[in-house]
Amino acid sequence: DVKVTQSSRYLVKRTGEKVFLECVQDMDHENMFWYRQDPGLGLRLIYFSYDVKMKEKGDIPEGYSVSREKKERFSLILESASTNQTSMYLCASSPQRVKNIQYFGAGTRLSVL
Amino acid sequence: KNQVEQSPQSLIILEGKNCTLQCNYTVSPFSNLRWYKQDTGRGPVSLTIMTFSENTKSNGRYTATLDADTKQSSLHITASQLSDSASYICVVSAYKLSFGAGTTVTVRA
Repeated sequence: DVKVTQSSRYLVKRTGEKVFLECVQDMDHENMFWYRQDPGLGLRLIYFSYDVKMKEKGDIPEGYSVSREKKERFSLILESASTNQTSMYLCASSPQRVKNIQYFGAGTRLSVL
Repeated sequence: KNQVEQSPQSLIILEGKNCTLQCNYTVSPFSNLRWYKQDTGRGPVSLTIMTFSENTKSNGRYTATLDADTKQSSLHITASQLSDSASYICVVSAYKLSFGAGTTVTVRA
């Protein structure tokens, strides 16, 4: 079974803090994705990566950055957390040839106070 | 405007009853459609996937239908159980994934 692991289930941070959300997958997938999920809005794509050291902006990249130094790990960075970044963050991965069939992690619920 | 619309937004049903969730989409060109189940505080887990040529796909008590002509899909839950309480998300694949906002199902004893 594919396993996508997000390092934290719950995080509470203060406005202005730098926040790191970590995601690791164990299936040697090339593609990795970060989404945020808000009530009534569905999942929205923040950033994605098709290869190590490669990154592409999704639909809502403002206020976020990412890092992919190793194939299995994809990090989401909030340079200066704001209250409107309080959300559920979901990481996903997929193999190269079927990038639209994604496997999700359990999610990190981030609260920015 | 969201290209994937789900209805109802939420529903409550009694244990043992059936229910049907709807998904209408405008995404084009269509590749496949998936239904995910997301338990509270967890990530989405795939229930079914259907391509353009498939009309029906079942996974236990879950049956998904697809009408590619009218761009509509439904997810039918038969003989609901308390463990079916979750959010159900419709995801349509074209050049990228388009997500519905989900339907929250609450099953009561």
